[in-house]
Amino acid sequence: GAVVSQHPSWVICKSGTSVKIECRSLDFQATTMFWYRQFPKQSLMLMATSNEGSKATYEQGVEKDKFLINHASLTLSTLTVTSAHPEDSSFYICSARGASGVSTGELFFGEGSRLTVL
Amino acid sequence: KQEVTQIPAALSVPEGENLVLNCSFTDSAIYNLQWFRQDPGKGLTSLLLIQSSQREQTSGRLNASLDKSSGRSTLYIAASQPGDSATYLCAVRQRGSTLGRLYFGRGTQLTVWP
Repeated sequence: GAVVSQHPSWVICKSGTSVKIECRSLDFQATTMFWYRQFPKQSLMLMATSNEGSKATYEQGVEKDKFLINHASLTLSTLTVTSAHPEDSSFYICSARGASGVSTGELFFGEGSRLTVL
Repeated sequence: KQEVTQIPAALSVPEGENLVLNCSFTDSAIYNLQWFRQDPGKGLTSLLLIQSSQREQTSGRLNASLDKSSGRSTLYIAASQPGDSATYLCAVRQRGSTLGRLYFGRGTQLTVWP
């Protein structure tokens, strides 16, 4: 299957700072990328959907100004958690859909990024 | 709103057993259903994808079935091995969802002991 890479895999930061997480599609062009959040022993919850070259679409209850998403190219999307607080500590996972995925609907997921805010 | 439920939440079995993991969804108007594996602290690995027009998909020791009308899917794991220990998630893509958002269950945590 297609490969999606996330970086960093884990990050610890102080409260009030901003953290950027990158999601890259390594062997295909991702027209659409999705950002999910997962709390321990909970399901994945979609935060936002980003299409290359346009503004992200956020799910209800997700703060646009806090979780900045940029999808500047067909292989890279970034999630920036601004002014992070301890309650933002979570596991963030991105997924991507390439051209073939448009027809099959199959999504490929990154390895996830563990954010801990002190 | 689509809701996905997975039963059981956890399962612990000896090596060699054949297993069935269950997934149910409330809205049968789905585009497809996907089974994933998640190791602790890791991302998701796609195992099987079943389109709404299909009844089942097979990959190695894994077989997934789909009964869209009843809102159910099962993942069958044959001859389980310790390496199969992980959390298994099912997710559905809603028909008419232009952006392909997935609705996930909470997963079944599987432990296979030697």
